[in-house]
Amino acid sequence: DAKTTQPTSMDCAEGRAANLPCNHSTISGNEYVYWYRQIHSQGPQYIIHGLKNNETNEMASLIITEDRKSSTLILPHATLRDTAVYYCIVRVGDTDKLIFGTGTRLQVFP
Amino acid sequence: GAVVSQHPSWVICKSGTSVKIECRSLDFQATTMFWYRQFPKQSLMLMATSNEGSKATYEQGVEKDKFLINHASLTLSTLTVTSAHPEDSSFYICSASHTGLAIDEQFFGPGTRLTVL
Repeated sequence: DAKTTQPTSMDCAEGRAANLPCNHSTISGNEYVYWYRQIHSQGPQYIIHGLKNNETNEMASLIITEDRKSSTLILPHATLRDTAVYYCIVRVGDTDKLIFGTGTRLQVFP
Repeated sequence: GAVVSQHPSWVICKSGTSVKIECRSLDFQATTMFWYRQFPKQSLMLMATSNEGSKATYEQGVEKDKFLINHASLTLSTLTVTSAHPEDSSFYICSASHTGLAIDEQFFGPGTRLTVL
């Protein structure tokens, strides 16, 4: 299973872009990178996923390096409601299993 | 996005009793459902994977006789914590997925907080 490494915590000012890094140096060619977030005492919420190309949706952008060993989740204009734990996950092979790491606790401040 | 519900949202029970938690996919058919457990200030830990109509696959270290999982239909999976003890107190979260959709993602329920006295 490809493991991921994320910083334990990050701060971001409201209105600024939040850039959350993730290392996944052992990722295999057919494994996707997923990002979820969990607001306190709620179930995780899907944000975005990608394989090779950069991806963007209404919530965020995902930048994956050419060698696929790392990625960055970008929240373009962070709000206080974006305060949460953000999990970068590499999906396990051909299964649907998502193995959660420790995640990054993002604190957005006014 | 698709909606997954859990019932109850919280439950308090006495030690030695059994508790059933339901997980429903409300607007899609879930071919696979997953059960996670989360202790305070920790990450989610995958407990088991269940496919509709077949036995659940448990992760290493999870007692299948203690955590009974039933996935009898494409919209409902249940987790029964048998003979619950205080150490089973935790936040239990389910998720559901449907392979074949254009976006193959898991949709998570809101979680059930179990407190065993």
